[in-house]
Amino acid sequence: RKEVEQDPGPFNVPEGATVAFNCTYSNSASQSFFWYRQDCRKEPKLLMSVYSSGNEDGRFTAQLNRASQYISLLIRDSKLSDSATYLCVVNDYKLSFGAGTTVTVRA
Amino acid sequence: EAQVTQNPRYLITVTGKKLTVTCSQNMNHEYMSWYRQDPGLGLRQIYYSMNVEVTDKGDVPEGYKVSRKEKRNFPLILESPSPNQTSLYFCASSLYKGQAYEQYFGPGTRLTVT
Repeated sequence: RKEVEQDPGPFNVPEGATVAFNCTYSNSASQSFFWYRQDCRKEPKLLMSVYSSGNEDGRFTAQLNRASQYISLLIRDSKLSDSATYLCVVNDYKLSFGAGTTVTVRA
Repeated sequence: EAQVTQNPRYLITVTGKKLTVTCSQNMNHEYMSWYRQDPGLGLRQIYYSMNVEVTDKGDVPEGYKVSRKEKRNFPLILESPSPNQTSLYFCASSLYKGQAYEQYFGPGTRLTVT
């Protein structure tokens, strides 16, 4: 079983829609969690950290469910510029990256 | 501007011809690492370094070497490249090897070995 698993998508949504997707992780002892954004094979960039209580940054909301070992990312009011691949990253004793979920926002 | 730079950005080479990909950061970061990214597999760590002269293997170190003689530089060396090392490579740095520290990635090096 992979350490971090993501639905590859693509999630194809119209502008203004809400899109949400999950990431599951295998190590119950994992301590911290992140979402990174990657545009078209460019370098990944940190989107947000995921805290136990969940956190929100503008149109983006991240949630952590330790019991079921998954984290989620929700994007509200999608913009064309949100089109990207979103990488789930889990830290236990090392960083483990998911393969990414591709989101395409259409006009 | 705070950044991580990599060179070259694109490289096509032949099997067995030694090559070096350079990585440099100007943020005085302690921790640096190299990743490769292949379709469907996510980023996999090759080597990492927690400080000058301290390096350690990541998940996929076979066929690679690194060195950390200066804090800012962390070159990746392929002594005898093979076609299965064709990949997109990213160098990254962060303040420390720790739970909550943001990784800053370089722009990537697309390597093709024929």
